[in-house]
Amino acid sequence: KQEVTQIPAALSVPEGENLVLNCSFTDSAIYNLQWFRQDPGKGLTSLLLIQSSQREQTSGRLNASLDKSSGRSTLYIAASQPGDSATYLCAPSGGANNLFFGTGTRLTVIP
Amino acid sequence: KAGVTQTPRYLIKTRGQQVTLSCSPISGHRSVSWYQQTPGQGLQFLFEYFSETQRNKGNFPGRFSGRQFSNSRSEMNVSTLELGDSALYLCASSLEGSASTGELFFGEGSRLTVL
Repeated sequence: KQEVTQIPAALSVPEGENLVLNCSFTDSAIYNLQWFRQDPGKGLTSLLLIQSSQREQTSGRLNASLDKSSGRSTLYIAASQPGDSATYLCAPSGGANNLFFGTGTRLTVIP
Repeated sequence: KAGVTQTPRYLIKTRGQQVTLSCSPISGHRSVSWYQQTPGQGLQFLFEYFSETQRNKGNFPGRFSGRQFSNSRSEMNVSTLELGDSALYLCASSLEGSASTGELFFGEGSRLTVL
């Protein structure tokens, strides 16, 4: 069974700082990997989708990389803002939209 | 373009009752997946429907069931509710059924409390 670990579990940074969130997974046979953010009590918002054949994806201040062979993905957030405060979840896909979720990294950006 | 819509947003039930949750996917999306989120277990996959057929199922008891209609709307049902079924139930839709390309879009969820 796919096991997903996200480090750190929580992170608090001052506004403007660049930061990296880490995700590791045990089964490299994935179709793709998606990064989401979740605000308290809300649903998930898709941030980036990386296909298994890709190495990275970028959207605005966000950049995600994927190293499938080593079972790792990172989410880089540039120039963090208070509005980035949320829980970030990575989810590799095992097929047929069956995503395996980590427990997330709770990010707080301090103004 | 409207997002994924889930109803009801909140509901309270008692043990032994049953509940039905509804999900309307993004227009044109044919795949609908359901997830359960609890503080202890995190997000867990329940099942996925594509073109009215269940294609994949997670490791949940038979009390959890679902279906999809011809307009791609989906419902999930939980019978004989237990306290441990209290959770946020999230629905996600994707444009295609292809596992290799499908980006999932989630709704706001239905928060179920079982007393």
